[in-house]
Amino acid sequence: DTAVSQTPKYLVTQMGNDKSIKCEQNLGHDTMYWYKQDSKKFLKIMFSYNNKELIINETVPNRFSPKSPDKAHLNLHINSLELGDSAVYFCASSQLTGSGGGDQETQYFGPGTRLLVL
Amino acid sequence: AQSVTQLGSHVSVSEGALVLLRCNYSSSVPPYLFWYVQYPNQGLQLLLKYTTGATLVKGINGFEAEFKKSETSFHLTKPSAHMSDAAEYFCAVRGMGGGFKTIFGAGTRLFVKA
Repeated sequence: DTAVSQTPKYLVTQMGNDKSIKCEQNLGHDTMYWYKQDSKKFLKIMFSYNNKELIINETVPNRFSPKSPDKAHLNLHINSLELGDSAVYFCASSQLTGSGGGDQETQYFGPGTRLLVL
Repeated sequence: AQSVTQLGSHVSVSEGALVLLRCNYSSSVPPYLFWYVQYPNQGLQLLLKYTTGATLVKGINGFEAEFKKSETSFHLTKPSAHMSDAAEYFCAVRGMGGGFKTIFGAGTRLFVKA
C-alpha cells in the first residue's frame, strides 16, 4: 500500500490555467506538507497543516492555496499558472510536529507531481 | 533559526570506495538531524536520523552518520560505494520543540563510477 500518494504524477498545462494536485496519506499522521523542488533540486517548504489547521505558510504567491478536507488529505490548488511554477511538487507527512519526539518528525514523501507550464 | 550547508553539489566516487557527503548545520536550539535520499523520479526517503543519545547513527543500505556538536556537522559515510547508491542526498535539520520547520540542504548528487 502506498503511504503517501499524489495525483497526478505529471501535469502539463498552459499559462493562466488553474490546476489542482491531490495528496493523500494512509499513515495516520497528523501533519502534512507541500514542498516545491526546482530544477536545481532545491527543496523548499510551501505549507504545512497539522490536523487540518495551517501551521506553516511560507512566502508563497497567494495563487497557491492549500486545502485540507481532513487530516489524511492535503490538496494544492494553483490559480493563473505561470512559467515559473514549473517544478516538482512533493507532498509529505509526519506523525506530529513540535512534539519533541524525534522519531515523530520523520517525514514521508510522496512520489512527486511534475508540473510543466507552457 | 536553523540552516543547513551541504559541501559539494556533486560527489563522484568509484565503486567500492568510501562515500563521504558533508553536512554542516546551524541551530539556535538542540537539533534533530536527518539524511534523506532521492532516487531519480522519486520522492525523498529517510536514510537515517539523529534525535538524542548515541551520536553515531546507522541507517539503511550501510550508511551511517556522526553528530559532532563541536563541529556542527552531520557527515554521511558509507565504507564501500555501490552503483545503486547513485542518487541525490539531502541533509536536513529541525530544532527540537515546537514552532520549528525542517530545513533541507541544497542536496549533493552522488555519482558512482564502475
